[in-house]
Amino acid sequence: KQEVTQIPAALSVPEGENLVLNCSFTDSAIYNLQWFRQDPGKGLTSLLLIQSSQREQTSGRLNASLDKSSGRSTLYIAASQPGDSATYLCAAPNFGNEKLTFGTGTRLTIIP
Amino acid sequence: EAGVAQSPRYKIIEKRQSVAFWCNPISGHATLYWYQQILGQGPKLLIQFQNNGVVDDSQLPKDRFSAERLKGVDSTLKIQPAKLEDSAVYLCASSLGGGGNYGYTFGSGTRLTVV
Repeated sequence: KQEVTQIPAALSVPEGENLVLNCSFTDSAIYNLQWFRQDPGKGLTSLLLIQSSQREQTSGRLNASLDKSSGRSTLYIAASQPGDSATYLCAAPNFGNEKLTFGTGTRLTIIP
Repeated sequence: EAGVAQSPRYKIIEKRQSVAFWCNPISGHATLYWYQQILGQGPKLLIQFQNNGVVDDSQLPKDRFSAERLKGVDSTLKIQPAKLEDSAVYLCASSLGGGGNYGYTFGSGTRLTVV
């Protein structure tokens, strides 16, 4: 059974700093890994999707990496802004059932 | 392309009442999912449809929850009767094929409060 863990559960950093969010998974037999953003009381917004054959994906100030052998993914946010404050979730579907397993998220607060 | 549409956005009901949520996936997306997200937790899959057939409903509390996807497009999720512990955000997602290859697109969710 896939288990996804995100550390830390909460993070506060001053505006302008670069930061890294971590995601680990127990079963490396994944199709891909997806990072989402969730604002309070809202749905999920897809940020980046990394296929299992890829090592990283970039979108603007965001860069996500995937290391299947170690069961880890990171989301790097450059030059953080107050608008980046949200909860960030990683999730991976498994081969066979494609059920998406989520981590519990990292609640990020950017301090102006 | 239009996103995944969900309604209502918010719903407050008393315990033992019934409630229904509606989802319209992205046009052409064969796979539709309903997730339950309790405050402070990651979303949990309730049911997965492929076209109008159920692929996985192993975590759906079938004594009170039901879902259908007519004609392989829109879907409704119903709770009857509701319990206090059903208070959560209900998220609908769709995927072009299996999410394993194409990723998932989520709607904005329905926040249910059971009092």
